[in-house]
Amino acid sequence: GQQVMQIPQYQHVQEGEDFTTYCNSSTTLSNIQWYKQRPGGHPVFLIQLVKSGEVKKQKRLTFQFGEAKKNSSLHITATQTTDVGTYFCALGFMTTDSWGKLQFGAGTQVVVTP
Amino acid sequence: DTAVSQTPKYLVTQMGNDKSIKCEQNLGHDTMYWYKQDSKKFLKIMFSYNNKELIINETVPNRFSPKSPDKAHLNLHINSLELGDSAVYFCASSQLGAGGLYFGPGTRLLVL
Repeated sequence: GQQVMQIPQYQHVQEGEDFTTYCNSSTTLSNIQWYKQRPGGHPVFLIQLVKSGEVKKQKRLTFQFGEAKKNSSLHITATQTTDVGTYFCALGFMTTDSWGKLQFGAGTQVVVTP
Repeated sequence: DTAVSQTPKYLVTQMGNDKSIKCEQNLGHDTMYWYKQDSKKFLKIMFSYNNKELIINETVPNRFSPKSPDKAHLNLHINSLELGDSAVYFCASSQLGAGGLYFGPGTRLLVL
């Protein structure tokens, strides 16, 4: 079956620093989505990547889809305390039995110290 | 206006009881989902309905029975609750094949 690995599991960041979280799949993806969940909250959709090598930016967040469509990264610059939360990647697969089904990574839990 | 709403927000109950969680979306989406998030924050899909038809039915005990009376509503009934059912249950909706999931606020279920 399809496997998804998201690293790191935890990320402790000083305010103002940059960090990156990575998501890797064992099989080629049709798309990848990223979500953010604040403590005590619900996952919030951030972005979807579809094209090989695609790069999208949202203010201080940069999302990248690998050339082989098997991996993705989320890079945050100049971290702020509002960036606290758990970031999930969610993988969409190409196989027909996975149609419509997203597989979520385990998440990267981010703690920001002022 | 809440896009995806769930009730109740908290549910504390005894083992062996039966309970229901309700979900409604006003986004006009054609697909709705139930996800379970365990204590380690792992999100696992349970069911999905597209235009009231069941399209995803993961390996979930048959004590869990979803029901979609129309495409704006998806309910989850759980029979004979067990300790291991304690988790946060999220409802979500989307337009299938077009963009991300919109999650409800979650129902925090605690089985004692």
